[in-house]
Amino acid sequence: RKEVEQDPGPFNVPEGATVAFNCTYSNSASQSFFWYRQDCRKEPKLLMSVYSSGNEDGRFTAQLNRASQYISLLIRDSKLSDSATYLCVVIISGNTGKLIFGQGTTLQVKP
Amino acid sequence: GAGVSQSPSNKVTEKGKDVELRCDPISGHTALYWYRQSLGQGLEFLIYFQGNSAPDKSGLPSDRFSAERTGGSVSTLTIQRTQQEDSAVYLCASTSGSPLHFGNGTRLTVT
Repeated sequence: RKEVEQDPGPFNVPEGATVAFNCTYSNSASQSFFWYRQDCRKEPKLLMSVYSSGNEDGRFTAQLNRASQYISLLIRDSKLSDSATYLCVVIISGNTGKLIFGQGTTLQVKP
Repeated sequence: GAGVSQSPSNKVTEKGKDVELRCDPISGHTALYWYRQSLGQGLEFLIYFQGNSAPDKSGLPSDRFSAERTGGSVSTLTIQRTQQEDSAVYLCASTSGSPLHFGNGTRLTVT
């Protein structure tokens, strides 16, 4: 089983839609969580960190469910520019500190 | 420069040849990562350097792969006797906490 798993999609949604992605992690010692965004043929960039209490940044909301071992990303009022691959990232406690990436979920926002 | 610099940006090599990929991290960043990304796939962790600690090499796929980081700065990833399955984009990233800053990657093609 992969340490970090995501539905690869693609998720095809119309502009203005609300879309949510989940990411599951297998190691209960996972301590830090992030969402990165990767545009086609570009390097990944940090979208937002995920805090235990959940956090919001504009149209984006990230949540953590430790009991079920998943994190989620909610995008409201989707824009064409949101089209990208969204990567879930985990750091495992007691580990050297390496970041484990999920394979990513592809979002296509259509006009 | 202000960002993570990788060279070369593209490398085409014949099967069986050795290649060296270079990463120049952001000045002052103590942690340096190498990832590999095949077409349409997620990021595969290769190796992680943190300060003067022994590197975490747990992601290196075979003994043909090695990496070093000299003086806590520049890193070189070496692939010996390249195989066609080594073809991918090799991404380097550095950080002193969060977020990871990625370079533009080296696109390696083994013919």
